[in-house]
Amino acid sequence: QSVLTQPPSVSGAPGQRVTISCTGSSSDIGAGYDVHWYQQLPGTAPKLLLYGNTNRPSGVPDRFSGSKSGTSASLAITGLQAEDEADYYCQSYDSSLSGVVFGGGTKLTVL
Amino acid sequence: QVQLQESGPGLVKPSQTLSLTCTVSGGSIGSGNYYWAWIRQPAGKGLEWIGRVYTSGSTNYNPSLKSRVTISVDTSKNQFSLQLSSVTAADTAVYYCARGYSYRGAPFDYWGQGTLVTVSS
Repeated sequence: QSVLTQPPSVSGAPGQRVTISCTGSSSDIGAGYDVHWYQQLPGTAPKLLLYGNTNRPSGVPDRFSGSKSGTSASLAITGLQAEDEADYYCQSYDSSLSGVVFGGGTKLTVL
Repeated sequence: QVQLQESGPGLVKPSQTLSLTCTVSGGSIGSGNYYWAWIRQPAGKGLEWIGRVYTSGSTNYNPSLKSRVTISVDTSKNQFSLQLSSVTAADTAVYYCARGYSYRGAPFDYWGQGTLVTVSS
């Protein structure tokens, strides 16, 4: 059972907007630790998608955006494309565990 | 461009020790403010942080695995390693090595391709 909670799956049609939530607690996201997001295409290693809650590494389209409030964070994807179909994971730090924590992952299906 | 590559046995017997090495290329493992981590992913499941090592040798481990894990670094070889003892079938997973910035809660910006380790007799 993951420390951070994500919906198991989300879906949307091409061109639509979807959001993926990541819910933590007062010892991780709520304690002020950054949330990062990863995209994992089938059979590949995770790729850093967003870091520091809202920042995109070079090369990541601005269709991907992030936000954080209280003990939760969200990843939004606008203008959905077939190539966005992947698993998405959030990551933060938990002070009570003194370690890195991940969400359970969300499978995005582009209809 | 930094690259990480995991290596080690793909099959380990129950109760034995799993040993993996991550070789870093495209940059010195000792340069910059980074730490080096191991993360695993059982088939069809999510990511689990195993632990990390700083180039100073300082380590942090996942509390759930702490009693069985050792992560070390060899800066002369530009490598860091994972040892997981007393393995069971539950340790079967794809094991990734990754680089993180040297602060709490930092993201992992570079990942290895992953290596599948199966625990079976």
